[in-house]
Amino acid sequence: QSALTQPPSASGSPGQSVTISCTGTSSDVGGYNYVSWYQQHPGKAPKVMIYEVTKRPSGVPDRFSGSKSGNTASLTVSGLQAEDEADYYCSSYVGNNRIIFGGGTKLTVL
Amino acid sequence: QVQLVESGGGVVQPGRSLRLSCAASGFTFRSYGMHWVRQAPGKGLEWVGVIWYDGSNQHYAESVEGRFTISRDNSKNTVYLQVNSLRAEDTAMYYCARDRGWPSGHFDYWGQGTLVTVSS
Repeated sequence: QSALTQPPSASGSPGQSVTISCTGTSSDVGGYNYVSWYQQHPGKAPKVMIYEVTKRPSGVPDRFSGSKSGNTASLTVSGLQAEDEADYYCSSYVGNNRIIFGGGTKLTVL
Repeated sequence: QVQLVESGGGVVQPGRSLRLSCAASGFTFRSYGMHWVRQAPGKGLEWVGVIWYDGSNQHYAESVEGRFTISRDNSKNTVYLQVNSLRAEDTAMYYCARDRGWPSGHFDYWGQGTLVTVSS
């Protein structure tokens, strides 16, 4: 099972919005509403930002939102702030009791 | 507060074995499934496997199935990852994470990781 496809990098200026995509197949992203997004700052453990495609855990700013269309899930960060600069990973259930991650996207706040 | 603390990493020769531990506190450990996720230096996250809350089931990534084994001791609030026949490509930071709803892939708490380096 190959990793989900994410762009290696994304960027935006403070206050702008940026969207990161996560492309899979009908056997993973498209087949289940089990996509999560994780934020990871350098040297730190990942932190969940979105789960089950659109749900946001308590404590995560509502600037972070998730969506899905077909085999592609997306994470949108609105009102970019300096502290949003990090690596972002999507994950999806792929059936057969397995989960895969995307390759990661480095978000730069210009 | 929820805490997950991994230990047991280190430098190990190819072909050898290692057992990683993850000690949990701050929640009812026996009620939650637990995952292991690894990250090679400078690379992305890779899901390793999961063990159900009662230890009755384990599931693994294809890349480690047959070599890695997850177990738990609910009396000690600890989950383990036994890694055998280690290869250079197993060099990574190994994280444990709490499951928040299998098979959603929602891991709500993570430890800080333990580093495994496979080198002769």
